[in-house]
Amino acid sequence: AQSVAQPEDQVNVAEGNPLTVKCTYSVSGNPYLFWYVQYPNRGLQFLLKYITGDNLVKGSYGFEAEFNKSQTSFHLKKPSALVSDSALYFCAVRDQAGTALIFGKGTTLSVSS
Amino acid sequence: EAGVAQSPRYKIIEKRQSVAFWCNPISGHATLYWYQQILGQGPKLLIQFQNNGVVDDSQLPKDRFSAERLKGVDSTLKIQPAKLEDSAVYLCASSLTGVFDYEQYFGPGTRLTVT
Repeated sequence: AQSVAQPEDQVNVAEGNPLTVKCTYSVSGNPYLFWYVQYPNRGLQFLLKYITGDNLVKGSYGFEAEFNKSQTSFHLKKPSALVSDSALYFCAVRDQAGTALIFGKGTTLSVSS
Repeated sequence: EAGVAQSPRYKIIEKRQSVAFWCNPISGHATLYWYQQILGQGPKLLIQFQNNGVVDDSQLPKDRFSAERLKGVDSTLKIQPAKLEDSAVYLCASSLTGVFDYEQYFGPGTRLTVT
């Protein structure tokens, strides 16, 4: 069965510092991986996806994610955090046969000024 | 382009009452999804439509939940009767197709409180 783990409930970073939000996955076959962000009282917004190709994927708002097949990870990164990046971040996976996105439980990112 | 629209944004009902949610997807998107997001958890798929046909409803509690997508555009999700554990945010999403590599676009959600 497909699953996603986000091991940290909360990540705290200072503005200007690099940030990493961790995600590991389990799926049979090739994984298709996504990151979404959720601001309060708003729906999820797509950030980036890995389908195939380069292991480093660039997305919206300066975010990027690194796909590591041997470690079954897809960590979200940003070189320099902004206070406005504070939000709830979800990692999700689906396989080629699956119809549903399987989401992790989310990680709250808090960026302090 | 206009995003996914949902209404109402908030709803409070008593247990055993019924409730309905409405979703209008992005124009041209053939695939529509309903998710349930319980506080502290990630969204969980309830049902997926491709045009007006159901693709996946394996996690829909069919004894109380129903959904339809007449004419392949708007969709409604109904709960009857509601239980306390149905308190959650109900998210509608759409995508161009159901192919695995297409991202989904989410509406703002309907926050349901069952008392």
